[in-house]
Amino acid sequence: ILNVEQSPQSLHVQEGDSTNFTCSFPSSNFYALHWYRWKTAKSPEALFVMTLNGDEKKKGRISATLNTKEGYSYLYIKGSQPEDSATYLCAFDNAGNMLTFGGGTRLMVKP
Amino acid sequence: KAGVTQTPRYLIKTRGQQVTLSCSPISGHRSVSWYQQTPGQGLQFLFEYFSETQRNKGNFPGRFSGRQFSNSRSEMNVSTLELGDSALYLCASSLGTSGSDEQFFGPGTRLTVL
Repeated sequence: ILNVEQSPQSLHVQEGDSTNFTCSFPSSNFYALHWYRWKTAKSPEALFVMTLNGDEKKKGRISATLNTKEGYSYLYIKGSQPEDSATYLCAFDNAGNMLTFGGGTRLMVKP
Repeated sequence: KAGVTQTPRYLIKTRGQQVTLSCSPISGHRSVSWYQQTPGQGLQFLFEYFSETQRNKGNFPGRFSGRQFSNSRSEMNVSTLELGDSALYLCASSLGTSGSDEQFFGPGTRLTVL
């Protein structure tokens, strides 16, 4: 059983705050690390797919880094907005298209 | 381009019955993966189909099965339903040619077993 851990489990921030969360995963048999954003009553939305150690990806105010040797990835949100409120999930892929998800970080941004 | 669709959206069954859920992927996507979401276990991988063949399988009992048709549409079947099968079932489609392909999720089917 693969262990994919996310921390914190939940986070409350004020609008305008910057924040970050962690995903830790096994450092062996790495194939890819996916980040998803899941808003209430919507489908999970892919944010990033990261494959190389040292990868850094950015989409608007959201960015992510990857360290496959030590088995962690960080997701950063700069200047949080209420519309960023969602559960952020990471998923570890060690076999090609077979994702093991972490428990998620639930982010709530207060206006 | 149309997104991933799942039918039905909601389903209520009783213990012992069987159920079939359907997933239509994005046009051109050949891989369909199925996931179960429960409050206690989070999102868990069930299986993945690519070109009508099961390519990956998660750790679920044999009561959970699936298939994929030549048009890439996929169905998932659960036989002899148990109360614990109550969950949100999500499917996701991708090109399937690389393990790092982005997966696109459907809206899910909410199954309640009474």
